Amino acid sequence: AQTVTQSQPEMSVQEAETVTLSCTYDTSENNYYLFWYKQPPSRQMILVIRQEAYKQQNATENRFSVNFQKAAKSFSLKISDSQLGDTAMYFCALNAGNNRKLIWGLGTSLAVNP
Amino acid sequence: ETGVTQTPRHLVMGMTNKKSLKCEQHLGHNAMYWYKQSAKKPLELMFVYSLEERVENNSVPSRFSPECPNSSHLFLHLHTLQPEDSALYLCASSQGITFSYEQYFGPGTRLTVT
Repeated sequence: AQTVTQSQPEMSVQEAETVTLSCTYDTSENNYYLFWYKQPPSRQMILVIRQEAYKQQNATENRFSVNFQKAAKSFSLKISDSQLGDTAMYFCALNAGNNRKLIWGLGTSLAVNP
Repeated sequence: ETGVTQTPRHLVMGMTNKKSLKCEQHLGHNAMYWYKQSAKKPLELMFVYSLEERVENNSVPSRFSPECPNSSHLFLHLHTLQPEDSALYLCASSQGITFSYEQYFGPGTRLTVT
């Protein structure tokens, strides 16, 4: 079975600081994609960053980067220079093999404080 | 309109009513999805359509009936719902259904069943 676990239901960070959200997953597939999605209070879910399992280099998108540890099945998201607009629910998701489904974590609610 | 749109944004219906949720994507994608988002639960995939053909139906009760008349439009017809069906219903689209494609989400319809 494929699973995604986000062990931090809530986190907070001061504006301009760095925060790391954790995600662990399990799959028996060799090739898969991992995603971080963000859902702000306005509710529209948007993709933050994605990582292909075969790529050793960690993905980065501006202030967002991941620490992908394939052996440990860990996929954490680092947000640098946090901004108030980063306040949102963050979901980690896995899509593996022939599965048409994204497997989702429960999410981490991040509050960026001024 | 850009991206993925959903109407209505809010819906209150009685258990004996019939209503429909509408989703439209303006991205030229070939796949569309319905998700149910409830508090404290992972996103639940309900239906997947690829090129207007239903390819996934995750044991969803028959009181939910999807319709995909073309690759840009997706409907979810609702009838005789239960209070536990109250949730946020998200529509998403992607370029294809293979696991590498990211999904683009609409803002959701907040459904309350009374």
